[in-house]
Amino acid sequence: RKEVEQDPGPFNVPEGATVAFNCTYSNSASQSFFWYRQDCRKEPKLLMSVYSSGNEDGRFTAQLNRASQYISLLIRDSKLSDSATYLCVVNLNTGTASKLTFGTGTRLQVTL
Amino acid sequence: DTGVSQDPRHKITKRGQNVTFRCDPISEHNRLYWYRQTLGQGPEFLTYFQNEAQLEKSRLLSDRFSAERPKGSFSTLEIQRTEQGDSAMYLCASSGKRAEAFFGQGTRLTVV
Repeated sequence: RKEVEQDPGPFNVPEGATVAFNCTYSNSASQSFFWYRQDCRKEPKLLMSVYSSGNEDGRFTAQLNRASQYISLLIRDSKLSDSATYLCVVNLNTGTASKLTFGTGTRLQVTL
Repeated sequence: DTGVSQDPRHKITKRGQNVTFRCDPISEHNRLYWYRQTLGQGPEFLTYFQNEAQLEKSRLLSDRFSAERPKGSFSTLEIQRTEQGDSAMYLCASSGKRAEAFFGQGTRLTVV
């Protein structure tokens, strides 16, 4: 089983739609969780951290369910500029080392 | 620009040659990561430094790969005897007290 699993998509949605991405992780000792956005042939950029209480940043809402080892990202009122690959990232800190593990990414294409 | 910088941005080399990439992290960040990414995949972890200590190394990092961070500041990744399968984007990221990592623009390696 992969350490971090995501549906690769692509998700094709019309502008204005709401879209949700899911991610599962295998190591229950994982401590920090993030969503990154990556545009074609560019580096990943931090979109938001994910907290158990859920957090929102404008049109973006992230949720963490530790019991189910599941992370989600909801994008409301999709814009054309949201088209990108969204990477789920899990951090495991052993005290001596810190390792960020990435999913393969979910591709989103927002269309007119 | 106080972000993570990587040099060179692009490298074309002949099979069998050695290549070296450099990463300059954000100055106050003590953690530094190297990742490799191929088309359609998420970034794959290669190695991790905390200050000058290399604390974790992926099984992906064969004997031909070596990384250093001699003074706990910049880091180098060397690939000896390059193979066509080494063609990829090599990404460097750094993080500080918080786990969020920030990426450089990457070095795109093409082995011909």
